[in-house]
Amino acid sequence: DAEITQSPRHKITETGRQVTLACHQTWNHNNMFWYRQDLGHGLRLIHYSYGVHDTNKGEVSDGYSVSRSNTEDLPLTLESAASSQTSVYFCASSESSGGINEQFFGPGTRLTVL
Amino acid sequence: DQQVKQNSPSLSVQEGRISILNCDYTNSMFDYFLWYKKYPAEGPTFLISISSIKDKNEDGRFTVFLNKSAKHLSLHIVPSQPGDSAVYFCAARKAGNQFYFGTGTSLTVIP
Repeated sequence: DAEITQSPRHKITETGRQVTLACHQTWNHNNMFWYRQDLGHGLRLIHYSYGVHDTNKGEVSDGYSVSRSNTEDLPLTLESAASSQTSVYFCASSESSGGINEQFFGPGTRLTVL
Repeated sequence: DQQVKQNSPSLSVQEGRISILNCDYTNSMFDYFLWYKKYPAEGPTFLISISSIKDKNEDGRFTVFLNKSAKHLSLHIVPSQPGDSAVYFCAARKAGNQFYFGTGTSLTVIP
């Protein structure tokens, strides 16, 4: 069965360190997204990609970067982790055909920055 | 600036009764609205959607109503079941597949 996975599921790091969160999907979807979920804010879009070598900034992109070298993966990098980036991170993917294309979400990564 | 708002953080309903979850939005450019359900330690899963040109969409026990003039949508669950207990997120889509999510409503269905 097709799926979307995230690793690690939990991560504790220190302020200033570089952290990379992995996202892998086997749906063969062109669209991939990264969100963070915080209390009182719901899910907020960090970065998204519509295909290989395409990346776009979302609502809260400062301090984050992504790269898309193949269809299956969209890793999220925190260049220099800050305590404000403590959050739960969700990756999602969707088809790129016309009409409404619901997003399929991964299980999430809980990141703590000390 | 929260473009999609869910003003009720929590809701409790008796099993078998109707659950009504509400969502308001500010941006008239949204073309689709979706509801997602989320269990603890899992990612959200898609539940139901509605196009901005419709006012109602029904799928089994779940019905979504859209009132464009009021910029308001609601999710009705009838009858509510204990397995429906979860956090429900309202989401709205702008052209280009950018989605904006509400803060979520935690539904508890009491057996």
